[in-house]
Amino acid sequence: KAGVTQTPRYLIKTRGQQVTLSCSPISGHRSVSWYQQTPGQGLQFLFEYFSETQRNKGNFPGRFSGRQFSNSRSEMNVSTLELGDSALYLCASHDPGQIYEQYFGPGTRLTVT
Amino acid sequence: QKEVEQNSGPLSVPEGAIASLNCTYSDRGSQSFFWYRQYSGKSPELIMSIYSNGDQEDGRFTAQLNKASQYVSLLIRDSQPSDSATYLCAFHPYRDDKIIFGKGTRLHILP
Repeated sequence: KAGVTQTPRYLIKTRGQQVTLSCSPISGHRSVSWYQQTPGQGLQFLFEYFSETQRNKGNFPGRFSGRQFSNSRSEMNVSTLELGDSALYLCASHDPGQIYEQYFGPGTRLTVT
Repeated sequence: QKEVEQNSGPLSVPEGAIASLNCTYSDRGSQSFFWYRQYSGKSPELIMSIYSNGDQEDGRFTAQLNKASQYVSLLIRDSQPSDSATYLCAFHPYRDDKIIFGKGTRLHILP
């Protein structure tokens, strides 16, 4: 079974621009979660989607948004980029049920200059 | 506030010894607990899951859960230099739709 894939792997943007990141979950997994990881803050939860609906949201400003498509693929968007948005963005998928094992993609390294 | 507490390290362990990593969690009703390994510059990789009190073994790895003390640990036997990484402890709070991650413990295996 193929793992979680994320595109692009690396991205360099300037302040004020916007960016869209993509995530394809493991086949059969219907839930996708997004995280931001920085050296100082660790893994911070952004949001989770299941069946095209956002089920949960972390404490991030409205500049961070996401969506999920009918094939479970998900995108996240960050508008009006700030220097502090530089981070590793990770998506993880799991098959909702009693077991909540999440599997991570390789991540997108975003650098804002 | 649901959270996980882990010692950030670094924890230095000689090659061949047992590495012991610990964490405590805040939600008494939690049922699912996980250990992830993250190499520098890479994404977290799930290495152990544990759901009931006691020990769960997989090769050189043993996860231990004590729900009464809200304590989870990971033992790595016969530590290898390739075990050098950051280990993230995580749990799924009761009736929640997300996993709570600790900030991780950096482990160095000394050759």
